Amino acid sequence: AQSVTQLGSHVSVSEGALVLLRCNYSSSVPPYLFWYVQYPNQGLQLLLKYTSAATLVKGINGFEAEFKKSETSFHLTKPSAHMSDAAEYFCAVSESGANSKLTFGKGITLSVRP
Amino acid sequence: NAGVMQNPRHLVRRRGQEARLRCSPMKGHSHVYWYRQLPEEGLKFMVYLQKENIIDESGMPKERFSAEFPKEGPSILRIQQVVRGDSAAYFCASSLTGTGETEAFFGQGTRLTVV
Repeated sequence: AQSVTQLGSHVSVSEGALVLLRCNYSSSVPPYLFWYVQYPNQGLQLLLKYTSAATLVKGINGFEAEFKKSETSFHLTKPSAHMSDAAEYFCAVSESGANSKLTFGKGITLSVRP
Repeated sequence: NAGVMQNPRHLVRRRGQEARLRCSPMKGHSHVYWYRQLPEEGLKFMVYLQKENIIDESGMPKERFSAEFPKEGPSILRIQQVVRGDSAAYFCASSLTGTGETEAFFGQGTRLTVV
């Protein structure tokens, strides 16, 4: 069985500050890992994904994430927050050798202060 | 290329009525997934379908819920005799293949309110 833990439900940063959203996973097989962003009343949009190639993955809108197997982590970062980054962020995992169903964390709401 | 289309966007049903949620996958995608998002929670997997077949329904409640993906037309998530606890956002996703590394594209969701 697989699971995702996103500690905390809300992160607030100042515009221009570093964004760090944490994600830890549990999987019995090599995982595929994803970060999705959800704006209010919208669907989910893929930010980036890890599929066993490079451990440092770059995504859209300046976000990146690093897969660390020893820490079972896939934290999302962005060097400089923008007001438009305010949204809810979900980390998700699927299993290699399995179908594409995703197991999501509970999500983190990012607020950006001017 | 239109994205994943879900309708209706908002649906209000009285307790005991039926709710039908529709999902048209992206063009060329034959793999469809349904997820439910309850307030303050992440998305929970419900069911995975591939044209005319249910592949994985491990997340579906045992009663009142059913899903189909016919050869022609959209995928349908059907909830019979709705109760207040069914109020949630229901998201559909589609993918080109059914393997774990494949990106799933999400629709904008149907927000069901049971009154």
